Amino acid sequence: ETGVTQSPTHLIKTRGQQVTLRCSSQSGHNTVSWYQQALGQGPQFIFQYYREEENGRGNFPPRFSGLQFPNYSSELNVNALELDDSALYLCASSRSPGNTIYFGEGSWLTVV
Amino acid sequence: DQQVKQNSPSLSVQEGRISILNCDYTNSMFDYFLWYKKYPAEGPTFLISISSIKDKNEDGRFTVFLNKSAKHLSLHIVPSQPGDSAVYFCAASDPGVGNQFYFGTGTSLTVIP
Repeated sequence: ETGVTQSPTHLIKTRGQQVTLRCSSQSGHNTVSWYQQALGQGPQFIFQYYREEENGRGNFPPRFSGLQFPNYSSELNVNALELDDSALYLCASSRSPGNTIYFGEGSWLTVV
Repeated sequence: DQQVKQNSPSLSVQEGRISILNCDYTNSMFDYFLWYKKYPAEGPTFLISISSIKDKNEDGRFTVFLNKSAKHLSLHIVPSQPGDSAVYFCAASDPGVGNQFYFGTGTSLTVIP
């Protein structure tokens, strides 16, 4: 069984730029959630995708957007990057919304 | 507003002894709870879950206890091993908002050989 995979693992961007992070869900999972984890904090929910549509959103501004594809993989896009966006971005998949979520290794984003 | 709280940032335990990690929550609608372990530079790994219809769930060395009246859950690790040294997060979900989990800030466990 293939687990959740994310790319890239590390990246550095300049303030104001845009970034796209990618995620492949675990086999058998149709739901993908994205979380942001800042240093010393727990993961914070950004949004969830189910059936290729956004299925709930946390307290993040609209410059955080996403997509889910027919194969259940997903992208997280962040526009107009700010220094505070520097964090670990975690993708998690589940069999359906509300079920146990399984995380990937994460993408470390540094905004300078 | 932090709905899930882990008030102990760190815990040290001798190898072979019991580790008890605690978690409190404020939302009485939470009905499903998870524990994760996280090593540096890795994503969180799912450990064990518990539904609000139960007060205990065991999986090998890991046992989670839920006290709904106190809005408190705990993770017991017996016996503790050096490889258990990691940051542990608890998480909770509200069935009425079934799309997100709320996480605590984590407890760093160190198991001393």
